Amino acid sequence: AQTVTQSQPEMSVQEAETVTLSCTYDTSESDYYLFWYKQPPSRQMILVIRQEAYKQQNATENRFSVNFQKAAKSFSLKISDSQLGDAAMYFCAYRSAGSGTASKLTFGTGTRLQVTL
Amino acid sequence: DTGVSQNPRHKITKRGQNVTFRCDPISEHNRLYWYRQTLGQGPEFLTYFQNEAQLEKSRLLSDRFSAERPKGSFSTLEIQRTEQGDSAMYLCASSLLRGDQETQYFGPGTRLLVL
Repeated sequence: AQTVTQSQPEMSVQEAETVTLSCTYDTSESDYYLFWYKQPPSRQMILVIRQEAYKQQNATENRFSVNFQKAAKSFSLKISDSQLGDAAMYFCAYRSAGSGTASKLTFGTGTRLQVTL
Repeated sequence: DTGVSQNPRHKITKRGQNVTFRCDPISEHNRLYWYRQTLGQGPEFLTYFQNEAQLEKSRLLSDRFSAERPKGSFSTLEIQRTEQGDSAMYLCASSLLRGDQETQYFGPGTRLLVL
């Protein structure tokens, strides 16, 4: 079974600064997808960014980018120019690839990001 | 497209009672997932449907839990004889599977408190 580990329960960043959230995972599969989801307080979870394991290029979405290290099974999220609206719980998630494979997401325990002025 | 909706948003019940939650997915999404999230944890997979077929159930889904998706549209999750350990946020997500491309969109969740 796959596992996802987020070792930082809480992180803090000043507005306009950059912060990196860590995620490691364990799998014996060679093809899979990785995601970062954001869950603001009392609001629904939204997708921040996704990465296909077969792609060597790191995914980027505006101020959000990932550092995907397949051999190390590491998938960190970098948030640049942090904004107050970035304050939320961030979850790293794993999904197996293959159309015949269950598409359930396996989540880490999350990192609570605080953004200060 | 109004996103995934869930009702009720909050439910307080007494131990032993039955509860039912509803999820309305994004229209035309063919997959629908249920997850459970307890305090301080990430969501855990419970079950999922492709159209009206329930294709996988987690071992977390005891016999007291049942889910349906009649006609492949909305879904219901029923918990019978609730226990205090059932207190959690129940999340629904939907997706459109195209080949192997799939992104799950989450609803706001139903927070259940069993007294």
